[in-house]
Amino acid sequence: EPEVTQTPSHQVTQMGQEVILRCVPISNHLYFYWYRQILGQKVEFLVSFYNNEISEKSEIFDDQFSVERPDGSNFTLKIRSTKLEDSAMYFCASRRRLNTEAFFGQGTRLTVV
Amino acid sequence: AQSVTQPDIHITVSEGASLELRCNYSYGATPYLFWYVQSPGQGLQLLLKYFSGDTLVQGIKGFEAEFKRSQSSFNLRKPSVHWSDAAEYFCAVGTTNFGNEKLTFGTGTRLTIIP
Repeated sequence: EPEVTQTPSHQVTQMGQEVILRCVPISNHLYFYWYRQILGQKVEFLVSFYNNEISEKSEIFDDQFSVERPDGSNFTLKIRSTKLEDSAMYFCASRRRLNTEAFFGQGTRLTVV
Repeated sequence: AQSVTQPDIHITVSEGASLELRCNYSYGATPYLFWYVQSPGQGLQLLLKYFSGDTLVQGIKGFEAEFKRSQSSFNLRKPSVHWSDAAEYFCAVGTTNFGNEKLTFGTGTRLTIIP
C-alpha cells in the first residue's frame, strides 16, 4: 500500500541552525501539507502546497519557514534559523484531490537544543 | 473559524467493553469529518471519514462514527475494545477555503485499555 515517507525520524539541532525535513508523498497525489504537533498539544496546520506554490499558510508559518518540491517527488520543509519553540513532531501529508482523505507520514521529531 | 472539541482528555476502558469518544465541531458549512489514530511513536492513521450521505460511517478496526448535524457531533464508537486499541485518537474537520482544504484537529483523547 502506498504511503507517505518522512526522513529523518528524529533530528536534533542547535538553536539558530537550519534544518530541512524531507517527505516523499504518495506518487499520484497533488496536494501536499505540513502539520506540526508540539508535545502534548494538538496537531496544527502549517502550510498547504499545490501546483508548485503555497496555497495557504497559517500564522505559525512565518518567514523562517519555507517549502519546496525540488524534483517532483520530494516535498521539503526548511526552517531557516531554529528556535527552541520549533521543537515538535512535524507531519507531512498528501492527498490525491480535494474532497478525499489526507494520508500522513510517520512524522519527524525535531528537537532544538 | 472552525474548531474541534474533544472533551475527554483521557479515557480508561476495560478490554471487551464498549467505547465512545466524543467530538464536537464548529464550522459554518457542511463539514468533512475524520477520525485519526496515533499509536505511540507512530504517525496518524485514518480510521474513518464522513463526506456526505449516510450519517453512520464504518471504518477500519471495527470502529464506526455517527454524524449528527443537530448536535454538531461526530462521536467515535466501538462495541468491544481490544488491548491494541490503546492510542491517541484525534477528531478533525476538513475545511475548504478557495478550493484548498486543510484539517483542523481536536486536542485528542488518550485511550487506555485495562485487562
